[in-house]
Amino acid sequence: DGGITQSPKYLFRKEGQNVTLSCEQNLNHDAMYWYRQDPGQGLRLIYYSQIVNDFQKGDIAEGYSVSREKKESFPLTVTSAQKNPTAFYLCASSIGDRWDQPQHFGDGTRLSIL
Amino acid sequence: GNSVTQMEGPVTLSEEAFLTINCTYTATGYPSLFWYVQYPGEGLQLLLKATKADDKGSNKGFEATYRKETTSFHLEKGSVQVSDSAVYFCALSVRSNDYKLSFGAGTTVTVRA
Repeated sequence: DGGITQSPKYLFRKEGQNVTLSCEQNLNHDAMYWYRQDPGQGLRLIYYSQIVNDFQKGDIAEGYSVSREKKESFPLTVTSAQKNPTAFYLCASSIGDRWDQPQHFGDGTRLSIL
Repeated sequence: GNSVTQMEGPVTLSEEAFLTINCTYTATGYPSLFWYVQYPGEGLQLLLKATKADDKGSNKGFEATYRKETTSFHLEKGSVQVSDSAVYFCALSVRSNDYKLSFGAGTTVTVRA
């Protein structure tokens, strides 16, 4: 089945540590996105990529980094500069280049501070 | 800019009750409109969409009509079930915004047996 796979489902970070969240899709989508969701709140866009080897900052990019070396993969690194990383992280993908097509979401990674 | 305003929750209903979640939007272009649903501990799933004025999206008993004159896309279901308990998000996308989605804050719905 086609879809988006996020791993791990739960992740713990120690102080001063960088952690990387994985996102893989087999939908052949050009565009991929990372969102952060805090309890009781909506989604905020961290980074997005419309094509391989290119990505743009979203609304809350500080303390995060991404890469897009392959069409299928868009990993997110939460750096030690992100002082409040505890949240639910969602990855999504879409056909891109079309505003009438939906984004498809993974099941998320829950990041907590030890 | 582009923004979505959703009815604040939480909303608590009894089974078989009628559900309405209001959603209004502002957009700099001609938007496509979406409703997503999020069950506890999961990602978002597309519930329905509409891409032009007067279109009605429908799925699993839910409906929403794209009303350009009132800039609204209200979600309705005639008879809810306990399994409809979830968080519902209204969202829009416009061509001029790199095809990014703008989300509402989400509305938590709890259906009691």
